[in-house]
Amino acid sequence: NAGVMQNPRHLVRRRGQEARLRCSPMKGHSHVYWYRQLPEEGLKFMVYLQKENIIDESGMPKERFSAEFPKEGPSILRIQQVVRGDSAAYFCASSPDSVTWNTEAFFGQGTRLTVV
Amino acid sequence: AQTVTQSQPEMSVQEAETVTLSCTYDTSENNYYLFWYKQPPSRQMILVIRQEAYKQQNATENRFSVNFQKAAKSFSLKISDSQLGDTAMYFCAFMKYSGAGSYQLTFGKGTKLSVIP
Repeated sequence: NAGVMQNPRHLVRRRGQEARLRCSPMKGHSHVYWYRQLPEEGLKFMVYLQKENIIDESGMPKERFSAEFPKEGPSILRIQQVVRGDSAAYFCASSPDSVTWNTEAFFGQGTRLTVV
Repeated sequence: AQTVTQSQPEMSVQEAETVTLSCTYDTSENNYYLFWYKQPPSRQMILVIRQEAYKQQNATENRFSVNFQKAAKSFSLKISDSQLGDTAMYFCAFMKYSGAGSYQLTFGKGTKLSVIP
């Protein structure tokens, strides 16, 4: 059973371009979480999705950021018109059910986005 | 809002020795959960240990144990018999129910631990 797969591992974009980050959850997991890790910071919650539904997007910037988790295929975090401040590592985690204290969310290895 | 503070940006320990990483948090919640995650150079986030706030007994997982002081809002991690493979960033994290079926993790800034041979 492969773990949470994120691709690409590294992504370089020029200011104003779009960035698409992909996350394939573990087999059998229907809940996906996205976190952002700025340099020298801890991970910060962005959005929680179930298949075809956004459950909690309270940590998502209001503009330029969007996320989806279609019925088929990976979850996508999309950043439009990227700016230097978007440079960070973006982590995806998945779980079989809604995460509680004893339902572990498994993390991917992250996508490091660099905006030049 | 919850905050998690890790006051030690970097620490080092000799192999086979014991090291304690500190973590404090601020919350008005009564029911919550605390975690320590390890992030090695591969960047994979690995759960090390977890603690329920309503349990007074400190959690233990092999060489890893916590000292949970609820009144002081302190949650330190002790690593015994340190091994080279313990070299990593360690993140303290707080989890609470945020409504709409969502549990959110709030992470500290991390402590970089180096185990010296």
